[in-house]
Amino acid sequence: RKEVEQDPGPFNVPEGATVAFNCTYSNSASQSFFWYRQDCRKEPKLLMSVYSSGNEDGRFTAQLNRASQYISLLIRDSKLSDSATYLCVVNSGNTPLVFGKGTRLSVIA
Amino acid sequence: NAGVMQNPRHLVRRRGQEARLRCSPMKGHSHVYWYRQLPEEGLKFMVYLQKENIIDESGMPKERFSAEFPKEGPSILRIQQVVRGDSAAYFCASSYTWGTDTQYFGPGTRLTVL
Repeated sequence: RKEVEQDPGPFNVPEGATVAFNCTYSNSASQSFFWYRQDCRKEPKLLMSVYSSGNEDGRFTAQLNRASQYISLLIRDSKLSDSATYLCVVNSGNTPLVFGKGTRLSVIA
Repeated sequence: NAGVMQNPRHLVRRRGQEARLRCSPMKGHSHVYWYRQLPEEGLKFMVYLQKENIIDESGMPKERFSAEFPKEGPSILRIQQVVRGDSAAYFCASSYTWGTDTQYFGPGTRLTVL
């Protein structure tokens, strides 16, 4: 089983739509969780950290379910500029960051 | 406040040559990480360094690859006798502390081996 698994997509959604991505991780000792965004041929950029209680940043909501070892990202009112690859990232504290392969999102006008 | 800087942004080498990739961490950061991203693949951890020390190199290939982070100057990832399979994007990241601290990425170096 891969350490961090994501549906690669692509998710093709119209502008204004709500879209959700899921991610599962295998290491139950994982402590920190992040969503990064990567545009084509660019570096990953931190989108948001994921907290146990769930957290929201504008149109973006992240959820963590430790029991199921599952992380989600919800994007409301999708914009064309949201088109990118979204990377689920997990950290166990004393180990390197582990990246999922990413989920590709295309928002269509 | 400059972010993580990497150079060169693009590097072309012929098989058998050496590649040197440089990374200057964000100001105030003393922890540097190198990652490799092959085409259509996710980022894979290679090595974690602090000043003058390699802390974790569990992701580094055993041969031809080395990394350093000297007391003065940037961190360097060195690939000797490059092969076509080394063609990839190499990203450097830095953080203020180790552990669960957020890592910030540089723009990457795209290595092409002819």
